[in-house]
Amino acid sequence: GQSLEQPSEVTAVEGAIVQINCTYQTSGFYGLSWYQQHDGGAPTFLSYNALDGLEETGRFSSFLSRSDSYGYLLLQELQMKDSASYFCADLNSGGYQKVTFGIGTKLQVIP
Amino acid sequence: DAGVTQSPTHLIKTRGQQVTLRCSPKSGHDTVSWYQQALGQGPQFIFQYYEEEERQRGNFPDRFSGHQFPNYSSELNVNALLLGDSALYLCASSLPGPGSSSYNEQFFGPGTRLTVL
Repeated sequence: GQSLEQPSEVTAVEGAIVQINCTYQTSGFYGLSWYQQHDGGAPTFLSYNALDGLEETGRFSSFLSRSDSYGYLLLQELQMKDSASYFCADLNSGGYQKVTFGIGTKLQVIP
Repeated sequence: DAGVTQSPTHLIKTRGQQVTLRCSPKSGHDTVSWYQQALGQGPQFIFQYYEEEERQRGNFPDRFSGHQFPNYSSELNVNALLLGDSALYLCASSLPGPGSSSYNEQFFGPGTRLTVL
């Protein structure tokens, strides 16, 4: 089966950097995505890694190591609006988008 | 450009009833996926529709069924509702397959909050 593990909660200070880790055990792994979800809102896509290495998009970066079945999301220059839940999700390689989400990491940014 | 829309926003049903949820994908998208998100959990994949056919299914019983129409909109039907079906139901649309440049990105609608009493 597919499973992804990530910390349930993280607290960080405004302006700081935070890293949210994700380890996965999946068959037919194709790539790792990250989504942000504010309370009461819909998940929104942040990034996707199919290959090993770092992908940078503004203040957010995502890293993947396929050999270690591990990835992380890095948020820099934290802002209060970054308080949300962050999900890692794997894209199954069935050729189709059967996405399995982790349980989510609730990030609280404090002043 | 309208994003993914879902209706209704909220719904209250009683055990044993049936419910139909609706989704219109983002313009230009022809693939629709449905997810169930319980409180405090990540979205759980129910199934995906492409070209009016179910092409992937998660671990959900047959009480969960769906349909995709020629205009790519989709419905999720749940029969014989149980208390445990109470959740946020999310619809996501995307481009079809690895041949598409951004197929890995799914666009989610605001969801339908279903409460089963």
